[in-house]
Order: sequence, then C-alpha cells, then structure tokens
Amino acid sequence: GNSVTQMEGPVTLSEEAFLTINCTYTATGYPSLFWYVQYPGEGLQLLLKATKADDKGSNKGFEATYRKETTSFHLEKGSVQVSDSAVYFCALSGQGGSEKLVFGKGTKLTVNP
Amino acid sequence: DAGVIQSPRHEVTEMGQEVTLRCKPISGHNSLFWYRQTMMRGLELLIYFNNNVPIDDSGMPEDRFSAKMPNASFSTLKIQPSEPRDSAVYFCASRTGPPSNQPQHFGDGTRLSIL
Repeated sequence: GNSVTQMEGPVTLSEEAFLTINCTYTATGYPSLFWYVQYPGEGLQLLLKATKADDKGSNKGFEATYRKETTSFHLEKGSVQVSDSAVYFCALSGQGGSEKLVFGKGTKLTVNP
Repeated sequence: DAGVIQSPRHEVTEMGQEVTLRCKPISGHNSLFWYRQTMMRGLELLIYFNNNVPIDDSGMPEDRFSAKMPNASFSTLKIQPSEPRDSAVYFCASRTGPPSNQPQHFGDGTRLSIL
C-alpha cells in the first residue's frame, strides 16, 4: 500500500539557518504530494503541493520538488524564522480517485532566535 | 471565508459517558474526513464521507465509535461509552473533489480528555 516516510525529529535550528526535512514515499502510479504544517493548538494547514513529476510547490519561502526517480518530496527553506516553529507533515493521495491522505509521522521544528 | 468549524474545542468527561463531537465543513465541499491524533500513533484517519455517504470506516477503532453525516453541512462523531484511551485530539477536514489532488482543509480540532 501507499506509505510516507519522513525524517524523525525534533529539528532545532537557529534563525536564518537552512532547513531540509526529508520525505520519501511508496505508491503505485502518480500520487499527489503535499506538505502540511501544524502550529501549536491548531489544525493542519496546507503549506504546498505538487501533483506531477518535476513539479515544484512553493509557499511562504518553502519549496519542495516532486522527484519520481527518487520517490522524494523534500521540504526546504533557505532562511527559517522563529515563526516557522511547528510540526510539518508530508502526505500523499493516490491516483485514480483514492481520496485518502497518507501522512508521515510529522517532524517538529523549533527555531531559536 | 469560514473554514471547517469543530465543536467543542475542549471536552473533559468521565469514562463511560457518551461524547459527541461536531463538525461543519466548508460550504461546497463534498468530502469530509475524521482524524484522531495522539503522540503514540500520530494522525489516524477514522472515517470519510463523500456526498454524505460513508465510504471507508476501516479506521474506526471499535463499535464504541460511530459517525454520521445527515446533511452536507454537518457531521458528528460519537463515542459511547468513552474510555481513557480515547483521549486525543480529533480533527475534521473537508475537501472538494475528486480529483484526489485537491487539498483537505482542517478544523482546529477537539481536544478530548477521558478521566
């Protein structure tokens, strides 16, 4: 079945540091890929998405590229801020009308001033 | 625009009591999802509906859990009787679609504590 593996946290960085959170997936066909972010006490919010190979999703300075050859969708940001502290979830939804989102376990990011 | 609205935000009750969680999806969305989040198990899909019809309830833990969607603007998740191990944050999400590349929009969750 479909699955998502993302790097274990927690991740602690200083402000303005470079961020990478690794995400790899297993799926048949051509899934859509998502990054969600969860701030303390809130629900998950869509951060970015990509729906086909080589697509790059981007939002708020975050980027991720859909790499079918390596089955990866790594999240990157060039310069993190304290306000980026949150839990980040990689997810996929299958091809062919499968509506389920399969989530990774989440990676907690803390950015210190 | 109003997002997904869940109520209550917090619920504390004693084991054995009935608990009802409520969700109002975004207007026009035709798919609705219930999730449970715990530290140990992460985010788990419990059940989802398309056009008010339950499609997959394989994630519902046991018969104590039930979910309904009587119309396009309202859904409930009920636990009866509740147990301490049901303590978690319960999220509702809604989405347009298919296709499956449409994102899900989450509510702020209900934090449930069973004593």
